[in-house]
Amino acid sequence: AQRVTQPEKLLSVFKGAPVELKCNYSYSGSPELFWYVQYSRQRLQLLLRHISRESIKGFTADLNKGETSFHLKKPFAQEEDSAMYYCALKMDTGRRALTFGSGTRLQVQP
Amino acid sequence: ETGVTQSPTHLIKTRGQQVTLRCSSQSGHNTVSWYQQALGQGPQFIFQYYREEENGRGNFPPRFSGLQFPNYSSELNVNALELDDSALYLCASTMGGLDTGELFFGEGSRLTVL
Repeated sequence: AQRVTQPEKLLSVFKGAPVELKCNYSYSGSPELFWYVQYSRQRLQLLLRHISRESIKGFTADLNKGETSFHLKKPFAQEEDSAMYYCALKMDTGRRALTFGSGTRLQVQP
Repeated sequence: ETGVTQSPTHLIKTRGQQVTLRCSSQSGHNTVSWYQQALGQGPQFIFQYYREEENGRGNFPPRFSGLQFPNYSSELNVNALELDDSALYLCASTMGGLDTGELFFGEGSRLTVL
């Protein structure tokens, strides 16, 4: 069965520091990977997906099939990046619903 | 454009009771999926409805059931509530059937089972 692992429950950095939120997955096929974000008092929303290969709000994520990882990175953290981040996987066959990791809370301190 | 709306926002039930949660999909979306999010966990897929038919289901028992209506709104019903059913229930909508990627979420219904 497919699985998404986010090893860190909490990541605390200072403003201007680099950020890397880790995401590892297990799935034998060719998945699509996503990062969803939930800001305080807002609903869960899509941040980026690997197939679009774009940078959103300064965040990037590269799918590494060899290491089965999809880490989220930003070179210089901003206070407004503080939020809950979820990595999610969609299988290439069968059930196409999203499988989410347990999430990482990012705290950016001033 | 109207986003996904869910009702009620909070509710408390006792073990063994039944509950119905409601969701109005975003304008123009014909696919609705439901997720259960326990405290400290990520959302877990319950099932999905496309054009009024269930077309995907996660590892949830049959006492979790749903409906989708012609206007694409949806209901999640849970019978014989158990304490472990206490969670935030999220509804998400999108266009298309199985090939969904970007989901538009509601704010959720928080269910407490005593």
